Amino acid sequence: DGGITQSPKYLFRKEGQNVTLSCEQNLNHDAMYWYRQDPGQGLRLIYYSQIVNDFQKGDIAEGYSVSREKKESFPLTVTSAQKNPTAFYLCASSVGGANYGYTFGSGTRLTVV
Amino acid sequence: GENVEQHPSTLSVQEGDSAVIKCTYSDSASNYFPWYKQELGKGPQLIIDIRSNVGEKKDQRIAVTLNKTAKHFSLHITETQPEDSAVYFCAVPNGGYQKVTFGTGTKLQVIP
Repeated sequence: DGGITQSPKYLFRKEGQNVTLSCEQNLNHDAMYWYRQDPGQGLRLIYYSQIVNDFQKGDIAEGYSVSREKKESFPLTVTSAQKNPTAFYLCASSVGGANYGYTFGSGTRLTVV
Repeated sequence: GENVEQHPSTLSVQEGDSAVIKCTYSDSASNYFPWYKQELGKGPQLIIDIRSNVGEKKDQRIAVTLNKTAKHFSLHITETQPEDSAVYFCAVPNGGYQKVTFGTGTKLQVIP
Protein backbone atom coordinates (compact mmCIF):
# COMPACT_ATOMS: atom_id res chain seq x y z
CA ASP A 1 0.00 0.00 0.00
CA GLY A 2 1.18 3.52 -0.75
CA GLY A 3 1.78 5.98 2.03
CA ILE A 4 4.19 8.03 4.09
CA THR A 5 6.45 6.49 6.69
CA GLN A 6 7.93 8.54 9.49
CA SER A 7 10.56 7.20 11.82
CA PRO A 8 11.18 6.94 14.62
CA LYS A 9 7.79 7.26 16.31
CA TYR A 10 9.42 8.54 19.52
CA LEU A 11 12.76 10.31 19.79
CA PHE A 12 14.64 11.64 22.77
CA ARG A 13 17.35 14.23 22.37
CA LYS A 14 19.84 15.67 24.78
CA GLU A 15 20.30 19.41 24.75
CA GLY A 16 22.97 20.47 22.27
CA GLN A 17 22.48 17.50 19.96
CA ASN A 18 21.29 17.46 16.39
CA VAL A 19 18.72 14.82 15.46
CA THR A 20 17.33 13.78 12.09
CA LEU A 21 13.73 12.71 11.51
CA SER A 22 13.04 10.45 8.58
CA CYS A 23 10.18 10.82 6.08
CA GLU A 24 9.74 8.44 3.14
CA GLN A 25 6.83 8.26 0.69
CA ASN A 26 6.01 5.78 -2.08
CA LEU A 27 3.10 7.76 -3.52
CA ASN A 28 5.20 9.32 -6.30
CA HIS A 29 4.23 12.75 -4.97
CA ASP A 30 6.30 15.74 -6.02
CA ALA A 31 5.57 18.01 -3.04
CA MET A 32 6.59 17.26 0.54
CA TYR A 33 6.15 19.24 3.76
CA TRP A 34 7.25 19.30 7.39
CA TYR A 35 4.94 20.61 10.12
CA ARG A 36 5.36 21.11 13.82
CA GLN A 37 2.44 20.62 16.21
CA ASP A 38 2.57 21.66 19.86
CA PRO A 39 0.06 20.27 22.41
CA GLY A 40 -3.44 21.53 21.70
CA GLN A 41 -2.17 23.67 18.85
CA GLY A 42 -2.50 23.78 15.09
CA LEU A 43 0.02 22.94 12.39
CA ARG A 44 2.93 25.25 11.66
CA LEU A 45 4.96 24.88 8.47
CA ILE A 46 8.70 24.35 8.89
CA TYR A 47 9.95 23.59 5.35
CA TYR A 48 8.48 22.46 2.07
CA SER A 49 9.75 21.10 -1.22
CA GLN A 50 7.99 21.16 -4.58
CA ILE A 51 10.63 19.20 -6.46
CA VAL A 52 13.84 17.24 -5.94
CA ASN A 53 16.88 19.35 -5.00
CA ASP A 54 14.73 22.37 -4.16
CA PHE A 55 13.07 23.45 -0.89
CA GLN A 56 11.78 26.61 0.76
CA LYS A 57 11.51 27.88 4.31
CA GLY A 58 8.13 27.86 5.95
CA ASP A 59 6.90 29.99 8.81
CA ILE A 60 9.17 28.59 11.54
CA ALA A 61 12.35 27.38 9.77
CA GLU A 62 14.87 28.72 12.30
CA GLY A 63 16.80 25.90 13.95
CA TYR A 64 15.80 23.31 11.33
CA SER A 65 17.33 22.07 8.09
CA VAL A 66 16.17 19.73 5.32
CA SER A 67 17.38 18.04 2.15
CA ARG A 68 15.58 16.64 -0.88
CA GLU A 69 18.03 14.47 -2.76
CA LYS A 70 15.43 11.88 -3.78
CA LYS A 71 11.78 12.30 -4.70
CA GLU A 72 10.65 9.84 -2.05
CA SER A 73 12.69 11.20 0.86
CA PHE A 74 12.57 14.48 2.81
CA PRO A 75 14.51 14.23 6.10
CA LEU A 76 14.32 16.96 8.73
CA THR A 77 17.24 17.81 11.02
CA VAL A 78 16.47 19.53 14.29
CA THR A 79 19.64 21.39 15.20
CA SER A 80 20.92 22.57 18.55
CA ALA A 81 19.95 26.08 17.47
CA GLN A 82 16.26 25.17 17.90
CA LYS A 83 15.64 26.35 21.46
CA ASN A 84 12.36 24.59 22.08
CA PRO A 85 12.32 21.43 19.96
CA THR A 86 9.96 19.30 22.05
CA ALA A 87 6.93 18.80 19.79
CA PHE A 88 5.07 16.44 17.48
CA TYR A 89 6.52 16.54 13.95
CA LEU A 90 4.41 15.67 10.94
CA CYS A 91 5.54 15.01 7.38
CA ALA A 92 3.10 15.30 4.47
CA SER A 93 3.09 14.94 0.71
CA SER A 94 0.89 16.08 -2.14
CA VAL A 95 0.60 15.09 -5.78
CA GLY A 96 0.50 18.68 -6.94
CA GLY A 97 1.01 21.15 -4.12
CA ALA A 98 -1.48 23.14 -2.10
CA ASN A 99 -4.42 22.73 -4.48
CA TYR A 100 -4.55 19.01 -3.73
CA GLY A 101 -5.06 17.04 -0.57
CA TYR A 102 -2.17 16.21 1.70
CA THR A 103 -1.26 12.72 2.86
CA PHE A 104 0.28 12.81 6.33
CA GLY A 105 2.60 10.41 8.08
CA SER A 106 1.92 9.15 11.59
CA GLY A 107 4.32 11.63 13.15
CA THR A 108 7.44 11.67 15.32
CA ARG A 109 7.22 12.83 18.90
CA LEU A 110 10.51 14.52 19.87
CA THR A 111 11.35 15.15 23.50
CA VAL A 112 14.39 16.98 24.83
CA VAL A 113 15.79 15.37 27.97
CA GLY B 1 -0.75 35.98 3.75
CA GLU B 2 -3.95 33.99 4.04
CA ASN B 3 -5.93 34.47 7.25
CA VAL B 4 -8.00 31.42 8.25
CA GLU B 5 -10.37 31.45 11.22
CA GLN B 6 -12.02 28.26 12.46
CA HIS B 7 -14.92 28.05 14.92
CA PRO B 8 -15.79 26.68 17.38
CA SER B 9 -12.56 25.56 19.06
CA THR B 10 -14.43 22.86 20.99
CA LEU B 11 -17.75 21.18 20.32
CA SER B 12 -19.64 18.58 22.35
CA VAL B 13 -22.65 16.80 20.89
CA GLN B 14 -24.80 13.86 21.87
CA GLU B 15 -24.43 10.74 19.79
CA GLY B 16 -26.80 10.92 16.84
CA ASP B 17 -26.88 14.72 16.72
CA SER B 18 -25.28 16.84 14.00
CA ALA B 19 -22.07 18.86 14.23
CA VAL B 20 -21.08 21.90 12.17
CA ILE B 21 -17.64 23.52 12.01
CA LYS B 22 -17.00 26.72 10.09
CA CYS B 23 -13.92 28.28 8.52
CA THR B 24 -13.55 31.75 7.07
CA TYR B 25 -10.69 32.84 4.81
CA SER B 26 -9.41 36.10 3.38
CA ASP B 27 -8.01 35.41 -0.12
CA SER B 28 -10.87 35.46 -2.62
CA ALA B 29 -8.63 33.70 -5.18
CA SER B 30 -8.53 30.50 -3.11
CA ASN B 31 -10.21 27.62 -4.94
CA TYR B 32 -9.58 24.43 -2.96
CA PHE B 33 -10.95 23.74 0.53
CA PRO B 34 -10.11 20.50 2.37
CA TRP B 35 -11.01 19.21 5.82
CA TYR B 36 -8.77 16.94 7.88
CA LYS B 37 -9.49 14.72 10.88
CA GLN B 38 -6.78 14.07 13.45
CA GLU B 39 -7.21 11.33 16.03
CA LEU B 40 -5.14 11.39 19.19
CA GLY B 41 -1.46 10.65 18.55
CA LYS B 42 -1.90 10.29 14.79
CA GLY B 43 -1.36 12.38 11.70
CA PRO B 44 -4.28 14.26 10.12
CA GLN B 45 -6.30 12.47 7.47
CA LEU B 46 -8.10 14.14 4.56
CA ILE B 47 -11.81 13.38 4.95
CA ILE B 48 -13.47 15.62 2.37
CA ASP B 49 -12.64 18.51 0.07
CA ILE B 50 -14.40 20.88 -2.28
CA ARG B 51 -13.37 23.06 -5.20
CA SER B 52 -14.71 26.52 -5.88
CA ASN B 53 -16.90 25.51 -8.82
CA VAL B 54 -19.11 23.44 -6.48
CA GLY B 55 -21.33 24.64 -3.65
CA GLU B 56 -21.74 21.39 -1.72
CA LYS B 57 -20.22 17.94 -1.60
CA LYS B 58 -21.38 14.91 0.39
CA ASP B 59 -19.78 11.64 1.38
CA GLN B 60 -22.07 9.47 3.49
CA ARG B 61 -22.45 11.26 6.85
CA ILE B 62 -20.11 14.14 6.11
CA ALA B 63 -20.59 17.12 3.84
CA VAL B 64 -18.82 20.35 3.03
CA THR B 65 -20.54 23.54 1.90
CA LEU B 66 -18.84 26.54 0.33
CA ASN B 67 -19.95 30.17 0.14
CA LYS B 68 -17.39 31.92 -2.04
CA THR B 69 -19.12 35.29 -1.82
CA ALA B 70 -18.93 35.30 1.97
CA LYS B 71 -15.57 33.48 1.94
CA HIS B 72 -16.45 30.68 4.29
CA PHE B 73 -16.86 26.92 4.13
CA SER B 74 -18.29 24.47 6.65
CA LEU B 75 -18.00 20.82 7.62
CA HIS B 76 -21.24 19.06 8.49
CA ILE B 77 -21.33 15.70 10.26
CA THR B 78 -24.73 14.06 10.66
CA GLU B 79 -25.74 11.17 12.92
CA THR B 80 -22.54 11.56 14.92
CA GLN B 81 -20.89 8.50 16.42
CA PRO B 82 -18.25 8.19 19.18
CA GLU B 83 -15.61 7.42 16.56
CA ASP B 84 -16.17 10.89 15.12
CA SER B 85 -14.49 12.29 18.27
CA ALA B 86 -11.27 13.92 17.06
CA VAL B 87 -9.74 17.28 16.14
CA TYR B 88 -10.82 18.67 12.79
CA PHE B 89 -8.78 21.16 10.74
CA CYS B 90 -9.74 23.19 7.71
CA ALA B 91 -7.08 24.39 5.26
CA VAL B 92 -6.78 27.02 2.53
CA PRO B 93 -4.06 27.34 -0.16
CA ASN B 94 -1.85 30.42 -0.16
CA GLY B 95 1.65 31.56 -1.04
CA GLY B 96 1.15 31.15 -4.75
CA TYR B 97 -0.61 27.85 -4.03
CA GLN B 98 2.61 26.18 -2.92
CA LYS B 99 1.45 25.74 0.67
CA VAL B 100 -1.65 25.87 2.83
CA THR B 101 -2.70 27.68 5.96
CA PHE B 102 -4.48 25.45 8.46
CA GLY B 103 -7.22 26.55 10.77
CA THR B 104 -6.62 26.36 14.51
CA GLY B 105 -8.63 23.17 14.88
CA THR B 106 -11.92 22.09 16.45
CA LYS B 107 -11.99 19.40 19.12
CA LEU B 108 -15.19 17.44 18.63
CA GLN B 109 -16.46 15.22 21.44
CA VAL B 110 -19.37 12.89 20.75
CA ILE B 111 -21.03 11.82 23.98
CA PRO B 112 -22.50 8.30 23.91
